[in-house]
Amino acid sequence: EPEVTQTPSHQVTQMGQEVILRCVPISNHLYFYWYRQILGQKVEFLVSFYNNEISEKSEIFDDQFSVERPDGSNFTLKIRSTKLEDSAMYFCASSERGRAGANVLTFGAGSRLTVL
Amino acid sequence: SQQGEEDPQALSIQEGENATMNCSYKTSINNLQWYRQNSGRGLVHLILIRSNEREKHSGRLRVTLDTSKKSSSLLITASRAADTASYFCATNNAGNMLTFGGGTRLMVKP
Repeated sequence: EPEVTQTPSHQVTQMGQEVILRCVPISNHLYFYWYRQILGQKVEFLVSFYNNEISEKSEIFDDQFSVERPDGSNFTLKIRSTKLEDSAMYFCASSERGRAGANVLTFGAGSRLTVL
Repeated sequence: SQQGEEDPQALSIQEGENATMNCSYKTSINNLQWYRQNSGRGLVHLILIRSNEREKHSGRLRVTLDTSKKSSSLLITASRAADTASYFCATNNAGNMLTFGGGTRLMVKP
């Protein structure tokens, strides 16, 4: 069964450092997403991406965050200068259709980011 | 409270019993989905119900939706120890994003 793959599974970084989290969405999916989950809390929407541009973003997704689809397969989330509160599990997801077609998301296993 | 709030927050039952989880939301929706998350893993889609549907079944899962009350329930019948996980409802109201609730932690004791 097709799956969304994320790397790394766990990254430890120092506050202020840049971090790039990588995702390979399902190949025929057109919509891509990043969510995060702080330990024990809700899964929070960060950003959605379609047709090589951001289609929606939340208040969390400030200027420190950026996303990119550098080639035909990868979808990356960059945090420019990490803060302690960025420590969380980051989930990439993809869907075949957008809202009009009912957007069922397939999630990756997540990348745990620990900021020290 | 925010869009998509589940209750109870935690539920512990014996194998074979039914588990019912509820979700309430605030704004109008296009569809509501339920996802499952095993500890430390990603979310797995279980079932989707559209705003014009009232009930949907998938195997041992039954989902209801009451748009007048802005609520949904997920029923897992004849639970198994392997059903132990967190269950989240997620609403789609505008655009492509899903808004997740806080989840119900279900423990099924063998």
